[in-house]
Amino acid sequence: KQEVTQIPAALSVPEGENLVLNCSFTDSAIYNLQWFRQDPGKGLTSLLLIQSSQREQTSGRLNASLDKSSGRSTLYIAASQPGDSATYLCAVRRVYGQNFVFGPGTRLSVLP
Amino acid sequence: DTAVSQTPKYLVTQMGNDKSIKCEQNLGHDTMYWYKQDSKKFLKIMFSYNNKELIINETVPNRFSPKSPDKAHLNLHINSLELGDSAVYFCASSQVTGVSGGRVYNEQFFGPGTRLTVL
Repeated sequence: KQEVTQIPAALSVPEGENLVLNCSFTDSAIYNLQWFRQDPGKGLTSLLLIQSSQREQTSGRLNASLDKSSGRSTLYIAASQPGDSATYLCAVRRVYGQNFVFGPGTRLSVLP
Repeated sequence: DTAVSQTPKYLVTQMGNDKSIKCEQNLGHDTMYWYKQDSKKFLKIMFSYNNKELIINETVPNRFSPKSPDKAHLNLHINSLELGDSAVYFCASSQVTGVSGGRVYNEQFFGPGTRLTVL
């Protein structure tokens, strides 16, 4: 059974810092991994999707890496801004299946 | 706007009632999903569905049933609501391309959520 964990559970940083969010999964037989952000009371916004054959994906100030063999993905946020404050979720899709397993999320606060 | 939309945004009801939540996507996707986010903010898949295949998470009570009138809609019906059903329910969609053995599961896009409160 796939289990996904995220560390830290919460993070508070001053504006401008570079930061790393971590996602770990127990079963390395994944199809792809997707990072989302969720703003309070809102739905999920897709940030990056990494296929199992890829090592990383970049979008603007965001960079996500994937190391399947060690069961890890990291989301790197450069030059953080108050608008980045949200909960960041990683979700892993298993091989031969359509369903995602979500991590519990990291709640990020970027202080002005 | 191209998006996944859900109605209602808020739903407050008494225990024992039957209710439905509607979901529509205009992204042209062929696969839709329902997720439940509980009070601890944990998101769990309930169903995934396309025209050919319904996959049910075995932990979902049979009081919950998805109904899909067409590819763009997946409604969630809940019978005999219980207090523990209170949560935020999210609909999502994605496009699955290719055929068995070579399928490509693309990004999932989420709706804004429906906050269900059972009194």
